[in-house]
Amino acid sequence: GESVGLHLPTLSVQEGDNSIINCAYSNSASDYFIWYKQESGKGPQFIIDIRSNMDKRQGQRVTVLLNKTVKHLSLQIAATQPGDSAVYFCAEIPVYNQGGKLIFGQGTELSVKP
Amino acid sequence: DTGVSQDPRHKITKRGQNVTFRCDPISEHNRLYWYRQTLGQGPEFLTYFQNEAQLEKSRLLSDRFSAERPKGSFSTLEIQRTEQGDSAMYLCASSRDSGYGYTFGSGTRLTVV
Repeated sequence: GESVGLHLPTLSVQEGDNSIINCAYSNSASDYFIWYKQESGKGPQFIIDIRSNMDKRQGQRVTVLLNKTVKHLSLQIAATQPGDSAVYFCAEIPVYNQGGKLIFGQGTELSVKP
Repeated sequence: DTGVSQDPRHKITKRGQNVTFRCDPISEHNRLYWYRQTLGQGPEFLTYFQNEAQLEKSRLLSDRFSAERPKGSFSTLEIQRTEQGDSAMYLCASSRDSGYGYTFGSGTRLTVV
């Protein structure tokens, strides 16, 4: 079935190190991908997005890489800070889904050690 | 406009009672979505509106659930005869027609006791 999965449920890094959060998706028809950060008790917060016609996009301290060949998405966070501790979700919108319904994975919990 | 607003933030209700949640989207967004999220899981799609028209409903949206967006602006989600299994975070999101700007609110945490 269609799914967006994450390789690691938890990730622990040292403050200042770079973090890489991975995501595998099974729907080759997906057109648009978004990474969200969710802190406890809050709604998902948009981090960065990427369209399927791109393979890399950079933001402030974050980079998203898309490998359509192996249907893999990753989020790289540079110089990870304690404030980055949260659950990170990738989400996809299949190209056939004109309604824009997001399909989420289960999330990766990032823990930053000071 | 500072984002998507949801009210209330928390709701505790007794089983069998009806509850209603409100969502105010970003003003220039035509699309409005409702999701449900349980602990440790990603949000699951419930329904969405294009302006005032409800265009898609998930199988998760049982007949006890109803959503409206009467004037194409704010939306309400009502749950009738609540059950303990309805306990979850209910998230609202809005976006432009293209899907860009997909923004979530802070959610309404429902606890059914």
